[in-house]
Amino acid sequence: EVQVVESGGGLVQPGGSLRLSCAASGFSFSTLWMHWVRQAPGKGLVWVSRVNWDGSGIDYAESVRGRFTISRDNAKNMLYLQMNDLRVEDTALYYCAGSPNFDYWGQGTLVSVSS
Amino acid sequence: SYALTQPPSVSVSPGQTASITCSGDNLGDKYVCWFQQRPGQSPVLVIYQDNKRPSAIPERFSGSNSGNTATLTISGTQAMDEADYYCQSWDKTAGVFGGGTKLTVL
Repeated sequence: EVQVVESGGGLVQPGGSLRLSCAASGFSFSTLWMHWVRQAPGKGLVWVSRVNWDGSGIDYAESVRGRFTISRDNAKNMLYLQMNDLRVEDTALYYCAGSPNFDYWGQGTLVSVSS
Repeated sequence: SYALTQPPSVSVSPGQTASITCSGDNLGDKYVCWFQQRPGQSPVLVIYQDNKRPSAIPERFSGSNSGNTATLTISGTQAMDEADYYCQSWDKTAGVFGGGTKLTVL
């Protein structure tokens, strides 16, 4: 059974940091691209970042480049998103998703940025 | 930056065919995925590589992509198909989602 479980969300002040984690099982995690996708309350899906199977290929959305860092640990089947210099507009439900076609999604972890 | 445009809402009667469009410059040259998101739930992949269906998705879901427009078609629409639908593609190395279409079955 495929399981994708995000954690690490919470309430943080503007300028603060959070580290999101994603635990994956039931599929070939170490061979697939993995993504972070976010969804602000009542809004649509927005792609945030992706990492290839061995971590050597990484891409970011323009809105988070330089502030967010994606990484993975294939030995633990874990995906991470280090988020620094958080802004109010980063408030969203953050989903971890597995490729090749965003086939596998978690339930999301909520990040709220507010003073 | 590259943008995908979807109609905000589409309405369909039960048993009829629903079509949801997604427009972007030369979109036909790219692969498109479609996702269904019911209220309070995570997105579910319903179409990938323009017209392929994951094994768990009913045959009434189909897709096409040509020119500047990709289309998700739901034949014999059922009440359970009422949801938000998002198209997705790639602009070089950046993922792009459409703004989403709320499908109402009434």
